[in-house]
Amino acid sequence: NAGVTQTPKFRVLKTGQSMTLLCAQDMNHEYMYWYRQDPGMGLRLIHYSVGEGTTAKGEVPDGYNVSRLKKQNFLLGLESAAPSQTSVYFCASRNRDRTYEQYFGPGTRLTVT
Amino acid sequence: AQSVAQPEDQVNVAEGNPLTVKCTYSVSGNPYLFWYVQYPNRGLQFLLKYITGDNLVKGSYGFEAEFNKSQTSFHLKKPSALVSDSALYFCAVRAISGGYNKLIFGAGTRLAVHP
Repeated sequence: NAGVTQTPKFRVLKTGQSMTLLCAQDMNHEYMYWYRQDPGMGLRLIHYSVGEGTTAKGEVPDGYNVSRLKKQNFLLGLESAAPSQTSVYFCASRNRDRTYEQYFGPGTRLTVT
Repeated sequence: AQSVAQPEDQVNVAEGNPLTVKCTYSVSGNPYLFWYVQYPNRGLQFLLKYITGDNLVKGSYGFEAEFNKSQTSFHLKKPSALVSDSALYFCAVRAISGGYNKLIFGAGTRLAVHP
């Protein structure tokens, strides 16, 4: 099993450009999450999904959109990138069971200039 | 409000000495608590969790954590630190918001183990 994978690993964008980050998991997990990690702030939840075709907002959703068209994939989109979105983005997934343990991808480092 | 606090930005310890990384939480209902570790340029890895049962929880790589309900704490411990334990450690608590379960993470504590 590859677990949770993320593409790309690194990306540099100019202000106003758009891009999509892809998260894929092969563990048949129901729940998927997108976080951003900034120094001294831990991980903050951007959006999450509790199943195929459903998404919901987390703590910091502004400027981001998501889609979960297939159970194994969770896409994070930036329509018009801003320097404040420079961050490391992590995807995670978990089973529906009551362990609540999340499995994380390796991260995408995004720089917006 | 549901939250997690890690009061130390960094913990320094000599190799072979015991280590403690502190975590306190605020959550309604019974707490579900987690520790994750992040090595440089990697994603978070699960270390251990407390859901119910014994207050002392054992996890990966020789780590353990003690749940203290009266002090609302869940400190991470290891009897003898290794240089390879140097990493960023995150405490997390399950929170219920909007009818769904989510994890709230602390800001992280950087552990530096010196030879």
